[in-house]
Amino acid sequence: DQQVKQNSPSLSVQEGRISILNCDYTNSMFDYFLWYKKYPAEGPTFLISISSIKDKNEDGRFTVFLNKSAKHLSLHIVPSQPGDSAVYFCAASGNSYDKVIFGPGTSLSVIP
Amino acid sequence: GAVVSQHPSWVICKSGTSVKIECRSLDFQATTMFWYRQFPKQSLMLMATSNEGSKATYEQGVEKDKFLINHASLTLSTLTVTSAHPEDSSFYICSAQRDDFSTDTQYFGPGTRLTVL
Repeated sequence: DQQVKQNSPSLSVQEGRISILNCDYTNSMFDYFLWYKKYPAEGPTFLISISSIKDKNEDGRFTVFLNKSAKHLSLHIVPSQPGDSAVYFCAASGNSYDKVIFGPGTSLSVIP
Repeated sequence: GAVVSQHPSWVICKSGTSVKIECRSLDFQATTMFWYRQFPKQSLMLMATSNEGSKATYEQGVEKDKFLINHASLTLSTLTVTSAHPEDSSFYICSAQRDDFSTDTQYFGPGTRLTVL
């Protein structure tokens, strides 16, 4: 059973617009969430994270929102750029030093 | 900083042979490293947690005798795929967890593409 879900396998967005990537989780013991970005044939790279004590974390064009009651988080990218085209993995862990459970990923295409 | 390397980046081997993949943390110590496998169009799957100085912890369904993990030092973990078969063809990625408290995430290697003929 998938503990971290990303129900949209792909997403296309126009350059300059906002990209919203969604993620749901089932395990209420998760208290730390991360987003990773992955280009083809490369390992994923860390993008942004959020602790369960927060509901928002912002880093430049990237903002992650967490709704614990709904077990839902989202990654907002604004404005979207063609270089943002990649697969985005949502991930969760029990604490920041535990193993990380990844979602299946969402492939984002930013159209120039 | 926080660079993790993998060697080789790609390898092609014959069925029945063994292949060793190295994961190194280049500028930090990592008592704990992780090995992942990615199938095409699927998520990363955690295979095992590698701990320096002790036996690796394997995830359910991962054959420990087939995927041998050795965490020889605080900067090196190796994954050996023994008696490889075509179904073992995949993209293998390692990550390293820093021993110090200055960060709260894992650093991933670039991955190794294994093709078994």
